[in-house]
Amino acid sequence: DAKTTQPNSMESNEEEPVHLPCNHSTISGTDYIHWYRQLPSQGPEYVIHGLTSNVNNRMASLAIAEDRKSSTLILHRATLRDAAVYYCILRAYGNKLVFGAGTILRVKS
Amino acid sequence: SQTIHQWPATLVQPVGSPLSLECTVEGTSNPNLYWYRQAAGRGLQLLFYSVGIGQISSEVPQNLSASRPQDRQFILSSKKLLLSDSGFYLCAWSAAPGGGFSEQFFGPGTRLTVL
Repeated sequence: DAKTTQPNSMESNEEEPVHLPCNHSTISGTDYIHWYRQLPSQGPEYVIHGLTSNVNNRMASLAIAEDRKSSTLILHRATLRDAAVYYCILRAYGNKLVFGAGTILRVKS
Repeated sequence: SQTIHQWPATLVQPVGSPLSLECTVEGTSNPNLYWYRQAAGRGLQLLFYSVGIGQISSEVPQNLSASRPQDRQFILSSKKLLLSDSGFYLCAWSAAPGGGFSEQFFGPGTRLTVL
C-alpha cells in the first residue's frame, strides 16, 4: 500500500476554515484518496474520497494536486465537534483500509 | 437503514483468559466484515476481514482468531489473552465491491483491558 504523510497535529479556531494536508508521493494511478475521521472514543467515520478531481460533500471538500502527489481536506467552518483525528488513506480497488497515525485536529473556541 | 452492533462495550479480563467479541450488522446482506484494533494512543490496525460466511483473511500473526458463522455475524476470539491484547476493538462493514469504492461503516467498539 502506498504511504501517506500527515502532520501530527493542527490547531484551528472555531468558525474558521481548516486545511489538512496529506502527502502521497508514491501514489499509483489506481489509488483513490480517502479521508476518515475518528472522534474521541468512537470508531472512524467516512468523510470524503476522490481520484483526480476536486470533490465536495456536506462535510468537507477535497482538493487534489494535479500530479496527485498531495491532497488537502478542507473543513469550511470548523466547529468544536470537528475536533478529531483525521486519516488520509490511499486505496486501490478493493476494501482494505490501511490507517496511519493521522492528524489530531484541535479546535479552539 | 443499516446498523452495526458490538458487544460488550467494555471488558476487563485477566491474562490467560479466553475472549469472545461479537459484531452483528443489520439492514444489509452479504457485507464485507472487518476487525480492527487500536492500541492506546496508536492508529488502527486491520486484524481480519471476511468477504463471506466461513471466509476469513488474517492480516497479522497473533493469538487472535475470527469466525463468521452467519452472513451478518463476525466474532473475534482468543483462547488465552496477553497483556498486549488490550485495546479498542472495532468492527466494520462495507458493501461488497461491485464497482470499486465502498465506504466502511464502523461499530461503537469494545474497549478491552487485560490485567
